[in-house]
Amino acid sequence: QQKVQQSPESLIVPEGGMASLNCTSSDRNVDYFWWYRQHSGKSPKMLMSIFSNGEKEEGRFTVHLNKASLHTSLHIRDSQPSDSALYLCAARGNSNNRIFFGDGTQLVVKP
Amino acid sequence: EAAVTQSPRNKVTVTGGNVTLSCRQTNSHNYMYWYRQDTGHGLRLIHYSYGAGNLQIGDVPDGYKATRTTQEDFFLLLELASPSQTSLYFCASSRTGSQNTLYFGAGTRLSVL
Repeated sequence: QQKVQQSPESLIVPEGGMASLNCTSSDRNVDYFWWYRQHSGKSPKMLMSIFSNGEKEEGRFTVHLNKASLHTSLHIRDSQPSDSALYLCAARGNSNNRIFFGDGTQLVVKP
Repeated sequence: EAAVTQSPRNKVTVTGGNVTLSCRQTNSHNYMYWYRQDTGHGLRLIHYSYGAGNLQIGDVPDGYKATRTTQEDFFLLLELASPSQTSLYFCASSRTGSQNTLYFGAGTRLSVL
């Protein structure tokens, strides 16, 4: 079964708006989380990583992590059409370095 | 940025055929991974390796073999390919350590007719 659940499956936001994406691991034996972004026809590229409880901000992107609930969220403010992509959440197994992904959130930013 | 090269970029084979997908990384990364990506799914881990001669089983290994011949090269083998293996395959590499970001190749699109 899927070990990393992402929601929503798809999201449409207006240009300039805020996009909020969620990810939870059902496997308690994970320690690190990443968010990857995949534009259509391209390979995934790491967008942000978070390993400690709390919040991390890089420009328009903010990621939160709650290690007790194994929940992470990604927030994109002032969304741009170029942010339209598939956003993938990844988690790492803490005993085997296995890195597994959720099914992704398809984000569309409408001009 | 890390360089990961996959070949071929596109491959068409018939049911029952043998296919080998190749991946080379030139950044001295210890870990290499093979994933498949299908419409409606994220990336599903097939096999991975932490060094030459090592192989670890992923989440969807059935029908796939893999071999890590050197630190740079990781191969995915499909013996007796089936239409269910039609997919987009990505190879990735990462450093050892806690913050091991994955660097992906451009992908191989495989069609099994």
